[in-house]
Amino acid sequence: GDSVTQMEGPVTLSEEAFLTINCTYTATGYPSLFWYVQYPGEGLQLLLKATKADDKGSNKGFEATYRKETTSFHLEKGSVQVSDSAVYFCALSGTGGTSYGKLTFGQGTILTVHP
Amino acid sequence: DADVTQTPRNRITKTGKRIMLECSQTKGHDRMYWYRQDPGLGLRLIYYSFDVKDINKGEISDGYSVSRQAQAKFSLSLESAIPNQTALYFCATSSPGRTYGYTFGSGTRLTVV
Repeated sequence: GDSVTQMEGPVTLSEEAFLTINCTYTATGYPSLFWYVQYPGEGLQLLLKATKADDKGSNKGFEATYRKETTSFHLEKGSVQVSDSAVYFCALSGTGGTSYGKLTFGQGTILTVHP
Repeated sequence: DADVTQTPRNRITKTGKRIMLECSQTKGHDRMYWYRQDPGLGLRLIYYSFDVKDINKGEISDGYSVSRQAQAKFSLSLESAIPNQTALYFCATSSPGRTYGYTFGSGTRLTVV
């Protein structure tokens, strides 16, 4: 079945540092890929997405590129801020049978940014 | 108003009690989902519904039941709550198709004592 693996956290960075959160997936066909962010006390919000190979999703300074050859969708930001402190979830949207359109989530990565 | 509204936001209940968590949406989406979030375990799917007459079990449905009262409303019930059902519960909605993703509610924090 479909699965998503994220790098283990938590991740702690200083403000203005470079961020990478790794995400790899296993799926049949050509899934869509997503990053969601969960700020403290809130629900998950869509951060960015990519729907086909080599697409780059971007939003709020974050970027991720859909790499089919390495089955990866790593999240990057060049300069993090304290306000980026949150939990980040990688997810894929299945393409086969009863999985079609349903999201499978990674376990989440906690990011803490210090001033 | 929020696109996806969950009530209550917080609830403390006793072991053995029946409790219902409610979700309503104004997105006009056919698909609705209930997830449970535990620290370190990410999100796990409890039940999902692709339309009013189509309800399906997710990976952790034991101890839970659902009701899809209308396109806009999807309720989750714990028939006899137990302490290991203490968790954060999220409702989500989506359109059909693999490219849209989900819209989430703000969650219900449930504590079973």
